[in-house]
Amino acid sequence: DAGVTQSPTHLIKTRGQQVTLRCSPKSGHDTVSWYQQALGQGPQFIFQYYEEEERQRGNFPDRFSGHQFPNYSSELNVNALLLGDSALYLCASSWGPFNEQFFGPGTRLTVL
Amino acid sequence: DAKTTQPTSMDCAEGRAANLPCNHSTISGNEYVYWYRQIHSQGPQYIIHGLKNNETNEMASLIITEDRKSSTLILPHATLRDTAVYYCILRGNSNYQLIWGAGTKLIIKP
Repeated sequence: DAGVTQSPTHLIKTRGQQVTLRCSPKSGHDTVSWYQQALGQGPQFIFQYYEEEERQRGNFPDRFSGHQFPNYSSELNVNALLLGDSALYLCASSWGPFNEQFFGPGTRLTVL
Repeated sequence: DAKTTQPTSMDCAEGRAANLPCNHSTISGNEYVYWYRQIHSQGPQYIIHGLKNNETNEMASLIITEDRKSSTLILPHATLRDTAVYYCILRGNSNYQLIWGAGTKLIIKP
């Protein structure tokens, strides 16, 4: 039973560029949440997708956008990258919006 | 903001029980206590959660005080692989997100 998978593992971009991160949920899960984790801090909630809609959004600018596909996989897009966007981006899946979330290994984004 | 308070760091000897405390004095009636851990640079791992009763699974036990203002995560026989940052999180049954604090860095020593 595959757990949550994320791609790519690592990514290096320059300021102003755009990036797309991908997440496949654990088998049987229909909800995907995205978190940003800066070095030495706890994860910060970006948004959650359920039934292909954004259900809740954390305190992140519109440069951060997402999508959920009919197979429940999800993408996180970040436009106009800033140095401060360098972080570990975590995807978590769950069965429904309010049940325990299971995390993938994350994508390490470095913005130069 | 996180609604829990945890010690910054703790040590525990290998093979002993590791007891990690968490204070959540402003917990609401519908909020669950969740525990996750994160081994360096990996994704967080779900451990256990509970509402008011004590809970046990194959990884750990969760003891919640009767007034629900504090809880303790117990790893019964700590191994070196249990070295990680442990997060105690409150989550209402209609909350989409997990709100994370700084966690406790647990170091298991041989």
